[in-house]
Amino acid sequence: TQLLEQSPQFLSIQEGENLTVYCNSSSVFSSLQWYRQEPGEGPVLLVTVVTGGEVKKLKRLTFQFGDARKDSSLHITAAQPGDTGLYLCAGAKSGGYQKVTFGTGTKLQVIP
Amino acid sequence: AAGVIQSPRHLIKEKRETATLKCYPIPRHDTVYWYQQGPGQDPQFLISFYEKMQSDKGSIPDRFSAQQFSDYHSELNMSSLELGDSALYFCASSLVAGRITNYGYTFGSGTRLTVV
Repeated sequence: TQLLEQSPQFLSIQEGENLTVYCNSSSVFSSLQWYRQEPGEGPVLLVTVVTGGEVKKLKRLTFQFGDARKDSSLHITAAQPGDTGLYLCAGAKSGGYQKVTFGTGTKLQVIP
Repeated sequence: AAGVIQSPRHLIKEKRETATLKCYPIPRHDTVYWYQQGPGQDPQFLISFYEKMQSDKGSIPDRFSAQQFSDYHSELNMSSLELGDSALYFCASSLVAGRITNYGYTFGSGTRLTVV
């Protein structure tokens, strides 16, 4: 059973369109992170959210942590080809050294 | 800025052979994590070390072992390799320093292990 479910699994959109990726769980997390991974490379941390209801913006990316700290969303405005990649959410239960569990991933393709 | 360094970048081994993967965390990071990522899959947690002590254990086979040394680098030792061990192996590091929140990892570029 996957702890963190992401949707959609695949997304192919035209440059300039907006999109939202969802990360859902039945578990409560102390923090939730979003990573972006390119083929053959390690995931790169985009953001960490720790407070229920928290919203963080990173240029055209908006991240939200659910009020109950069980889910999160990533919204990209005016997608660009450089946004293409695998987006992974990852949740940590508690404790600074606790491992994170990764979500199922969303593969995004932005077509020029 | 220094990143997480993994070596080798690529490794080809035959079945039943052994392999050693190395990870050099970001200087002053006190925690190291190992993940395995199969083709088209999300990273699966194997094992972690905090201040050179094992802090957590995931789906690491008994054929694998790992340790963190006094200089904080870590090695993942894999024996009796099987075809199914072919995957990308990532190391990540973070600075915990007693924090109660995991603020995220810095990943290395990974080691691609191919077992033939």
